[in-house]
Amino acid sequence: AQKITQTQPGMFVQEKEAVTLDCTYDTSDPSYGLFWYKQPSSGEMIFLIYQGSYDQQNATEGRYSLNFQKARKSANLVISASQLGDSAMYFCAMREVYGGATNKLIFGTGTLLAVQP
Amino acid sequence: EPEVTQTPSHQVTQMGQEVILRCVPISNHLYFYWYRQILGQKVEFLVSFYNNEISEKSEIFDDQFSVERPDGSNFTLKIRSTKLEDSAMYFCASSKEDRVRNQPQHFGDGTRLSIL
Repeated sequence: AQKITQTQPGMFVQEKEAVTLDCTYDTSDPSYGLFWYKQPSSGEMIFLIYQGSYDQQNATEGRYSLNFQKARKSANLVISASQLGDSAMYFCAMREVYGGATNKLIFGTGTLLAVQP
Repeated sequence: EPEVTQTPSHQVTQMGQEVILRCVPISNHLYFYWYRQILGQKVEFLVSFYNNEISEKSEIFDDQFSVERPDGSNFTLKIRSTKLEDSAMYFCASSKEDRVRNQPQHFGDGTRLSIL
């Protein structure tokens, strides 16, 4: 079974509009972290935002926010006021923490976002 | 802002040859990782390294792979006898002490490895 599922292979959004990128996850670990990374066409991986499973509030970081719905096991990324430079591949990733035994990130397949002028 | 640096940015190697990918993690980070991304696919974990030893490795990380921290700054990934299917982008990442669980892993820009 997929641990991280990103069901949108590609998305279009108009410049200055908001966009939501979906991410659902599957884990039986009560303690985990969820991350979003941006990968522009140049290839580097840029950390955007983090949500911990015990965090009471949804994470926010500038124009990025996380719509975390724990019961639904979803951690959708919301980008407000889209800019042309937001065009990139976006990956959702999870770290399960079995009592601190692992730090590896498990990635989804990504969503390619294209911001249109 | 400090960053993870990787060299070379692109490596072309004949099948069967050994290749070493180099990384300089962020200086106060204690955990180091290698991931790979085959073209058009998702990022896959290879290995994590802490306190001068491997802390976890994936099924991909077989006997052909090894990692080393030869000095206080570099972190290397060696592939002993490369195969065509090793062609991928290889990312190095590092993170701070992980007792605080919200420490993100910071990635380098990657090394694109092409096996001919």
